[in-house]
Amino acid sequence: AIQLTQSPSSLSASVGDRVSITCRTGHAISTALAWYQQKPGKAPKPLIYDASRLESGVPSRFSGSGSGTDFTLTISSLQPEDFATYYCQHFNSYPLTFGGGTKVEIK
Amino acid sequence: EVQLVESGGGLVKPGGSLRLSCAASGFSFRNYTMNWVRQAPGKGLEWLSSITSSSTYIYYADAVRGRFTISRDNAKNSLFLQMSSLRAEDTALYYCVRETLTTSWYFDLWGRGTLVTVSS
Repeated sequence: AIQLTQSPSSLSASVGDRVSITCRTGHAISTALAWYQQKPGKAPKPLIYDASRLESGVPSRFSGSGSGTDFTLTISSLQPEDFATYYCQHFNSYPLTFGGGTKVEIK
Repeated sequence: EVQLVESGGGLVKPGGSLRLSCAASGFSFRNYTMNWVRQAPGKGLEWLSSITSSSTYIYYADAVRGRFTISRDNAKNSLFLQMSSLRAEDTALYYCVRETLTTSWYFDLWGRGTLVTVSS
């Protein structure tokens, strides 16, 4: 199984900050990666697919980059509604694994 | 409204069985690959199983292979997860999840989940 390692596991940031989250895979997966946002008590919501494509309706302050084994989710200017946990997931082959998550908290 | 609604969760003793259901509405369920994903309390997401539109291909995570069985009834717009030999570590919120229909591969629609608690 392809292991996904997210870093950091948590971070504290202020409104307006630029935030980056990294997802590293143990095997090259081209751009077969998605990012999700999950708020407490809610189901995950897709943000990015194919490593860099923005899901419809997602604000443009979210962006994704990377290919192969190293990927990044960036929030260009953190907004109050962005405080949540973020997960990466690969779609290279089964089993479809998720990263461990990154919790973004208010500083 | 496009939605997935899970049901069937509850309290079950270790070694017991449970069958989860997911009712799909607002879209052509028969065309989509469907999945189950779970989340233990306070933990991350764990993909469990996938079933293609006509049930031709089925995949499982190692953690549940041999104990869980995924199935679907396209005539009833329903997805199922039969769980047996349940363990305490199976305690989690179980999500029914749709895979996108396009050439891009990701999970584009999630249910709210149904809680399974395995405890004596």
